[in-house]
Formats: sequence, C-alpha cells, structure tokens
Amino acid sequence: EAGVAQSPRYKIIEKRQSVAFWCNPISGHATLYWYQQILGQGPKLLIQFQNNGVVDDSQLPKDRFSAERLKGVDSTLKIQPAKLEDSAVYLCASSLGGQSSYNSPLHFGNGTRLTVT
Amino acid sequence: DQQVKQNSPSLSVQEGRISILNCDYTNSMFDYFLWYKKYPAEGPTFLISISSIKDKNEDGRFTVFLNKSAKHLSLHIVPSQPGDSAVYFCAARTGGSYIPTFGRGTSLIVHP
Repeated sequence: EAGVAQSPRYKIIEKRQSVAFWCNPISGHATLYWYQQILGQGPKLLIQFQNNGVVDDSQLPKDRFSAERLKGVDSTLKIQPAKLEDSAVYLCASSLGGQSSYNSPLHFGNGTRLTVT
Repeated sequence: DQQVKQNSPSLSVQEGRISILNCDYTNSMFDYFLWYKKYPAEGPTFLISISSIKDKNEDGRFTVFLNKSAKHLSLHIVPSQPGDSAVYFCAARTGGSYIPTFGRGTSLIVHP
C-alpha cells in the first residue's frame, strides 16, 4: 500500500510571502488531517476533512491559513502571508474514517519542513 | 493547557535493557491511547495502542500499560535495540473523535 505523499519536502520563504503544500492520502482513506509540528512540540491539528467536507478547523488561523480538499482525495494547505512563527513541519495524515474504523490509527506523510526568514 | 504530557524530553538506554517511556494525561474523557514513533525527516508511524477498557496491551517487544486512576500510561520496550532510537509520541482520543491529541514527545537513544 502506498503511503501518504506530501510535497515539497522543504521550503524556505521570506515573511509575508505565500506558500502551498500538497498532500495525497492513502487510497480509500476518507479522513484527511493537516498537523503543524513546531520544533520541540508534538503535532497540533490544524484541520480535519471527512471526504471533501471540513469536520474541524477550530485551530486553523483562518486569517492566513486556508485548506481545501475539492474532490475528496488530494488536499492543499496554503499560508498567505507567512510569518516567522509559521516555521514548522507541516504533516498530512489520513485514516479510514467512519464509525467502524474508530480505532484505526492515523498514517502520516513525511511532512514539509517550512522555514520562514 | 497540555492535556497529554510527556515530561521527559529524552531518555538514554543501553542496548538489551528495558526502555520505559511515560505519559500523563489530564482529560478523563480520553478513552483510547496511542504511541507513535518518529525517525528524523519522516512522519510519525503508529506503534501500539490501548483502549481504556484494558490495562495492558503487548505487541512483540512493545508493551503499553494504562493506569486510569493515575491518568498515566507507559510504553515498555524490551529488549531495547539501537534501531529503536527515535522520538516517541504519546497520543490520546476522546470517544467519538478520530483526532488524537499529542504529547511533546520523548527522544529515546539506545546505545550499542
């Protein structure tokens, strides 16, 4: 089974610039997550999709962050404009979703390391 | 407010000995707990989990213990191997939610 694919692996931008990350989940996984992991901290959820609908975006800084999953498969996360404190690894994860798969774990991609200078 | 706490940022163990990684939680609504392992430049990978109706779950060299009254869980690795060197994240979920809350992680180094 192919894993969660993310690109790019690394990105360096200046503050106030914009950036976009792409994620392709495991085939058949209905639920997709974007996490932000700042150095020395655990992953923090930004947004959760179930198919192409948003389930939870309560921790997404909506003034600068946006995400979409138009066809219920691939997803993009955008930051515009970026701030220094956005420097982090952005992780995409997917899971089967659905009540019967409550105990199925999240499968993570390798992440995109963003550096904002 | 951290609901899942891993108070030891790092742990160093000799190969062949036991590694014990600890995790505390504050939310009594958590009913499912997971451990993830993360190598540098890779995403976290699922290691082992335990439901709140159990107090122990074992998978090969890895055992997770849950003490609900103390709101504490631990991951035991026996015997430890150099390939186990990684960051270990404890995570917890509430009933009906697929979204785990993660701790800050503990970096395990297993010396040959």
